[in-house]
Amino acid sequence: AQSVTQLDSQVPVFEEAPVELRCNYSSSVSVYLFWYVQYPNQGLQLLLKYLSGSTLVKGINGFEAEFNKSQTSFHLRKPSVHISDTAEYFCAVKGNTPLVFGKGTRLSVIA
Amino acid sequence: DGGITQSPKYLFRKEGQNVTLSCEQNLNHDAMYWYRQDPGQGLRLIYYSQIVNDFQKGDIAEGYSVSREKKESFPLTVTSAQKNPTAFYLCASSLGLAGGQRQETQYFGPGTRLLVL
Repeated sequence: AQSVTQLDSQVPVFEEAPVELRCNYSSSVSVYLFWYVQYPNQGLQLLLKYLSGSTLVKGINGFEAEFNKSQTSFHLRKPSVHISDTAEYFCAVKGNTPLVFGKGTRLSVIA
Repeated sequence: DGGITQSPKYLFRKEGQNVTLSCEQNLNHDAMYWYRQDPGQGLRLIYYSQIVNDFQKGDIAEGYSVSREKKESFPLTVTSAQKNPTAFYLCASSLGLAGGQRQETQYFGPGTRLLVL
């Protein structure tokens, strides 16, 4: 079975500052990895995904993530955040069982 | 517009009542999923279906039931046996087994918030 740990439940950051949201996973098989974003009272929107190939993955809204197999991590980064990035972010892993989600990280961007 | 629709946006349940949440997709996806979201808990899988007329229990299936009679539709019934139904319910779909690596990417509907009167 797979599991996901999002290391920070809340991350406050000032506008135009860089941000990193951390995600670690555990699995005994090869995995696919995903980051989703959720705005209040809405569904989840796919930000980016790692299926295979290059370990640096670029997504929408200027976000990127790097798959690190040795550290079993898939941290999400953005070099300069905007107020509109305020939302909840979910990391998810898919191995040989259905998709498993982390508990989420609430990103709050401060003007 | 291709996508996933969920209705209603808000739903109220009385004690002892069964209620049904609707999920429809026009993406021609084979696989569909139901999740429950509670504050601070992330998403937990209730049921999923890889193909019409077949479905499997997820991690928290007790008190819920589903059907998959059509490819486009995957309704979820919250039964009176579910003692704590208040939550945000999300439906998702993916290409399924025929999609290769792409099968794993799930796309979500806007959600239904269920409240108990």
